[in-house]
Amino acid sequence: NAGVTQTPKFQVLKTGQSMTLQCAQDMNHNSMYWYRQDPGMGLRLIYYSASEGTTDKGEVPNGYNVSRLNKREFSLRLESAAPSQTSVYFCASTPLAVGTDTQYFGPGTRLTVL
Amino acid sequence: GDSVTQMEGPVTLSEEAFLTINCTYTATGYPSLFWYVQYPGEGLQLLLKATKADDKGSNKGFEATYRKETTSFHLEKGSVQVSDSAVYFCALRGNAGNMLTFGGGTRLMVKP
Repeated sequence: NAGVTQTPKFQVLKTGQSMTLQCAQDMNHNSMYWYRQDPGMGLRLIYYSASEGTTDKGEVPNGYNVSRLNKREFSLRLESAAPSQTSVYFCASTPLAVGTDTQYFGPGTRLTVL
Repeated sequence: GDSVTQMEGPVTLSEEAFLTINCTYTATGYPSLFWYVQYPGEGLQLLLKATKADDKGSNKGFEATYRKETTSFHLEKGSVQVSDSAVYFCALRGNAGNMLTFGGGTRLMVKP
């Protein structure tokens, strides 16, 4: 099992550009999450998906959209990137209902917006 | 709302030293408490957890005890190794059973 995979690992964007961060898990998990990690602030939840076809906002959803394409994949889209979105982005998944079990994290995507 | 406060790092120790990383929390009811570890260039992975008061979580020589009276979940290890160098995150899952709330993380550097 590869676990949770994320692409790309690194990305540099100019202000106003768009991009999609990809996440996939091969553990047959039901729930998936997107976080951003900023220095000294821990991880903050952007969006989550309790099951295929459903998505909900987390703590910091503004400027982002998500798609739960199927049970395996959960993508995060920045429609018009801003410097404030410079961060490290982590995808995670859990086997059962949202919040009821250990979260498994991907290796992260380091995004810089100039 | 829920919140987690960790001691700021970095914490620099010599190999075989004793480690304590403080963590306190604010939450209603009886949250579950976690320590996650992030090694360089990797995602977070669960280190240990405790789901009720006075529970002790342990793994890889690390321990933390859920203290409801002091709302704390301090991480300890008796003898650190260079390979323990990483960022450690304290987190809680509230009574509603939903999202994780993370502390800001504490970087540990262990020197040979």
